[in-house]
Amino acid sequence: AQKVTQAQTEISVVEKEDVTLDCVYETRDTTYYLFWYKQPPSGELVFLIRRNSFDEQNEISGRYSWNFQKSTSSFNFTITASQVVDSAVYFCALSEARDGNNRLAFGKGNQVVVIP
Amino acid sequence: ETGVTQTPRHLVMGMTNKKSLKCEQHLGHNAMYWYKQSAKKPLELMFVYNFKEQTENNSVPSRFSPECPNSSHLFLHLHTLQPEDSALYLCASSQDKGAYNEQFFGPGTRLTVL
Repeated sequence: AQKVTQAQTEISVVEKEDVTLDCVYETRDTTYYLFWYKQPPSGELVFLIRRNSFDEQNEISGRYSWNFQKSTSSFNFTITASQVVDSAVYFCALSEARDGNNRLAFGKGNQVVVIP
Repeated sequence: ETGVTQTPRHLVMGMTNKKSLKCEQHLGHNAMYWYKQSAKKPLELMFVYNFKEQTENNSVPSRFSPECPNSSHLFLHLHTLQPEDSALYLCASSQDKGAYNEQFFGPGTRLTVL
């Protein structure tokens, strides 16, 4: 079974502050993939980042960065210097390689509100 | 058109109606998906198609009937729905059904069942 937990439901920050979104996952698979998606008010989910279970290197891409810790089964996501356009719901998701199907398991999402 | 498109964007239907949701992807992908997004619940995968063949039915009630005539088009036929079926229905596509592929989503159809 796979499970993704995003504990924080709504996070409000003032523009230019950093915001970190927590994601904890459960899987028995040794090969899996973790994703972050953004869902703005328009509705469509936008792919942001992907991480493979065998690559724990953390990276920065523009104002986005992520911290993948296999030891704690966490895949946290940080937006640096937040902007009003970052206001959206952010979803963490997991897929297992052995599954054969690209069955994404999503967390409940974090509603991020950036206050100007 | 680019990406993944869905029509209609909004749909209101009675419980005895029959309607269809349409999804089209312009990305040259081979896998397509239907998801249901209800308030306060995680996105739920409903169906997976790979090269037009259904590879996943996530215990979806038979009042939802998918159809995939080719790799670019996916339909969801709706019949005798219940009010609890009101939700945002999202279509997605990916290169194939490998777990490493990111999925690209359409804007969704907001369905209200009266």
